[in-house]
Amino acid sequence: DSGVTQTPKHLITATGQRVTLRCSPRSGDLSVYWYQQSLDQGLQFLIQYYNGEERAKGNILERFSAQQFPDLHSELNLSSLELGDSALYFCASSKGTGENQPQHFGDGTRLSIL
Amino acid sequence: KNQVEQSPQSLIILEGKNCTLQCNYTVSPFSNLRWYKQDTGRGPVSLTIMTFSENTKSNGRYTATLDADTKQSSLHITASQLSDSASYICVVSALLGDDSWGKLQFGAGTQVVVTP
Repeated sequence: DSGVTQTPKHLITATGQRVTLRCSPRSGDLSVYWYQQSLDQGLQFLIQYYNGEERAKGNILERFSAQQFPDLHSELNLSSLELGDSALYFCASSKGTGENQPQHFGDGTRLSIL
Repeated sequence: KNQVEQSPQSLIILEGKNCTLQCNYTVSPFSNLRWYKQDTGRGPVSLTIMTFSENTKSNGRYTATLDADTKQSSLHITASQLSDSASYICVVSALLGDDSWGKLQFGAGTQVVVTP
């Protein structure tokens, strides 16, 4: 058990809808990262938050947004969903800003767009 | 073009045997290289992290090597077990200061199947 909790485990919705994925980091970890893993693209880094502030941005679409709350949990909001957004979304956490630190991953939220 | 290439794409080995996975990268300037193990339906688990100055690092039966000059890394699995069946992902980070995490490059992974 990595200590990172993601909810929900599965989500099924339709095109054009909006969903929110939630992540609770390991106790004591200040950084939260979001990743997308699809069959044809592999694992892709989306965005990182450190202690409530956006730290780094990867291949995150404008339709997607995230935030980290004072209690350090994070939410990833996906809107105007398209079929291609179907993927596994992982959250990871690390103690500091994470440069040379291990990241601990949750077991992901599987998003299916019908 | 992906800046991190892994080979082979998949591998079947007998339980108890050793195997080596390869990772070649073009990411520059280099910050660190990580190997992750990902079981089906689970999140990746960190195996090793190596910076420029490190050329080998072990984690139990897993040993990673890094040649920063040739931009190659390998992950060696010793005395494989059935539980080693998983995807192994190589991830390279570029050294770009505070923005370095925005430059993570992921390999497509090597799928390892260990058979009895």
